[in-house]
Amino acid sequence: DTGVSQNPRHKITKRGQNVTFRCDPISEHNRLYWYRQTLGQGPEFLTYFQNEAQLEKSRLLSDRFSAERPKGSFSTLEIQRTEQGDSAMYLCASGDWRGGEKLFFGSGTQLSVL
Amino acid sequence: QKEVEQNSGPLSVPEGAIASLNCTYSDRGSQSFFWYRQYSGKSPELIMSIYSNGDKEDGRFTAQLNKASQYVSLLIRDSQPSDSATYLCAVSTGGFKTIFGAGTRLFVKA
Repeated sequence: DTGVSQNPRHKITKRGQNVTFRCDPISEHNRLYWYRQTLGQGPEFLTYFQNEAQLEKSRLLSDRFSAERPKGSFSTLEIQRTEQGDSAMYLCASGDWRGGEKLFFGSGTQLSVL
Repeated sequence: QKEVEQNSGPLSVPEGAIASLNCTYSDRGSQSFFWYRQYSGKSPELIMSIYSNGDKEDGRFTAQLNKASQYVSLLIRDSQPSDSATYLCAVSTGGFKTIFGAGTRLFVKA
C-alpha cells in the first residue's frame, strides 16, 4: 500500500493555458475523488469515479474542467483556459468497500495561475 | 445555507485541557460522519468516523452524533501541542459523495 500519489506537486501556468494533473490511487481502491481546496476553506467536492464510471460531478464545476479514469486505475483532471480563480490545491482521494466511505488523500497539486 | 457548517475558530486551549469542536449539517438523509485532521501544508487524514447516534471513543478522541439535531462534535481530551491543526467535519449522504466543512483551527498552548 503505497498511498495516493499525485503529480505534479506544483504547477505554475499563465492564464489561458491548459493544465493536466494525474492521480494514482491506492491499488485496488475502486473509488476516486477530486477535490479543490483554497486557503482557509475545506475541500470542495469536484467529482468522483467508481471504477471507470464518473458517477457525479459538482454542479458548480465549469465546463472547462474535465476528469477521466480510463480502465479504472489512475485519473487525470484537466483544466482548459485556466483563470486566476482556478488557483488552488487540487486534492485526489481514494477509497474502497473495505473502508466504507473513508477517504485517503494524496499530497495534492498546488496550481498557481498568473 | 452551507451543507456542513463549522466555527472557523481559531479555538485556543491550554495543554492538557479538553478541546471541543462542533459541526452542523443540513441534509437529514446524511448517514456517515467523519472528522479529518489537516496540519498546515498537509492533506487531510481521517481520525474518527461515526454512523449512529451517541458517542464513539478512540483513545483521546470522542466523536458524538445527534441526528435529530443534525449535530456532530469531536472532543479531544488531554490536548497536546501536536494536536494543533485544522479539524474538518465531513458528511456523506450514503451515495459516496463526501462534503466537508470549512474546518476549525485548533491551537493547543504549551
